[in-house]
Amino acid sequence: GENVEQHPSTLSVQEGDSAVIKCTYSDSASNYFPWYKQELGKRPQLIIDIRSNVGEKKDQRIAVTLNKTAKHFSLHITETQPEDSAVYFCAATDSWGKLQFGAGTQVVVTP
Amino acid sequence: DVKVTQSSRYLVKRTGEKVFLECVQDMDHENMFWYRQDPGLGLRLIYFSYDVKMKEKGDIPEGYSVSREKKERFSLILESASTNQTSMYLCASRKNMGVSGYTFGSGTRLTVV
Repeated sequence: GENVEQHPSTLSVQEGDSAVIKCTYSDSASNYFPWYKQELGKRPQLIIDIRSNVGEKKDQRIAVTLNKTAKHFSLHITETQPEDSAVYFCAATDSWGKLQFGAGTQVVVTP
Repeated sequence: DVKVTQSSRYLVKRTGEKVFLECVQDMDHENMFWYRQDPGLGLRLIYFSYDVKMKEKGDIPEGYSVSREKKERFSLILESASTNQTSMYLCASRKNMGVSGYTFGSGTRLTVV
């Protein structure tokens, strides 16, 4: 089945710097890769997603890149702000179409 | 805006009790999912349902069962609660199996004592 690995598990960045989270997946049939942000005590919320026919997608300060050949995708956050502090999860579809999640990355943005 | 509602935010139950966690979505979604979330382990799939009356085991179904008698409601049942089932439980839904993300509920923090 699909296996999604996410790195790093924790990431501390200075406000204004960039943050990058990387994920790898195992199932070559995966065709959808969403990213979720979970603030403390709140539900995970979809922040950006990318489909397998696209290599890069950007939405303001966040972007996602996908390398299908290498089976990895990354989340990039530029000009980080304190409100970016949260746990971020990557995910990839398995052969049944359901999502397999990475273990999460705790991002801490320090002023 | 899709709303996924979990009936309890916090729940404390005793070992051996039968526990029901309820999840209701209001957007006619076919697919519904139950996850548990534990520090360092991410989101682990317990059970899911493609549509009403259907259910499939996820990655960690032991000790759990589910019920989906109506399309909008997906219930998670702990047959005999144990302390290792203390966790955050998240329900999610999606329109159909395809290229789209899930909408999550706010979660139920279950403590088994």
